[in-house]
Amino acid sequence: QKEVEQNSGPLSVPEGAIASLNCTYSDRGSQSFFWYRQYSGKSPELIMSIYSNGDKEDGRFTAQLNKASQYVSLLIRDSQPSDSATYLCAVNSPGGQNFVFGPGTRLSVLP
Amino acid sequence: EPEVTQTPSHQVTQMGQEVILRCVPISNHLYFYWYRQILGQKVEFLVSFYNNEISEKSEIFDDQFSVERPDGSNFTLKIRSTKLEDSAMYFCASSESTGGLGNTIYFGEGSWLTVV
Repeated sequence: QKEVEQNSGPLSVPEGAIASLNCTYSDRGSQSFFWYRQYSGKSPELIMSIYSNGDKEDGRFTAQLNKASQYVSLLIRDSQPSDSATYLCAVNSPGGQNFVFGPGTRLSVLP
Repeated sequence: EPEVTQTPSHQVTQMGQEVILRCVPISNHLYFYWYRQILGQKVEFLVSFYNNEISEKSEIFDDQFSVERPDGSNFTLKIRSTKLEDSAMYFCASSESTGGLGNTIYFGEGSWLTVV
């Protein structure tokens, strides 16, 4: 059974701060990792994907992957109130036909 | 920008009735998915579909559910004999490929199903 775990939150950070979101996964063979943002009542929206160990930056977002520790994280710099949402970690394994989602971490950025 | 479109956005149905949720995946995508999200819970995989057949399904996707690609563009989820616990947001998604690096799935806006 493939599992993806996240702290449910809520994680509260002040505006302008760095928000750090974490995710662990159980399938050591996993190769593709994704962060989605989901506003209440809306569909998941892709923020970033990462496939190799290390950091990947895209604007205010940085994804970090450590396959040895089976850990992936998302950093949001200069957090804005509009970043307040639930952040979903998703993992896709080689040969797998689906993406497994974590339960999501609710982020609240306080003005 | 290409997108996955879903209809209806919201459907209310009586318990025991059948519903069909419709999706138009992104045009060059080959893999199609249905996910479900019960209010306040996580996104759950239901089924994936490729080359006109189911490629993988979860335990949730039992005989009550079926999928079909009736023509070259639509992808449907049929739920027979609906139950109260089927009330959820149903997301259709599609991807160019699956399993390999670079594969990404894109979600539609969802169909909110309420069973009363």
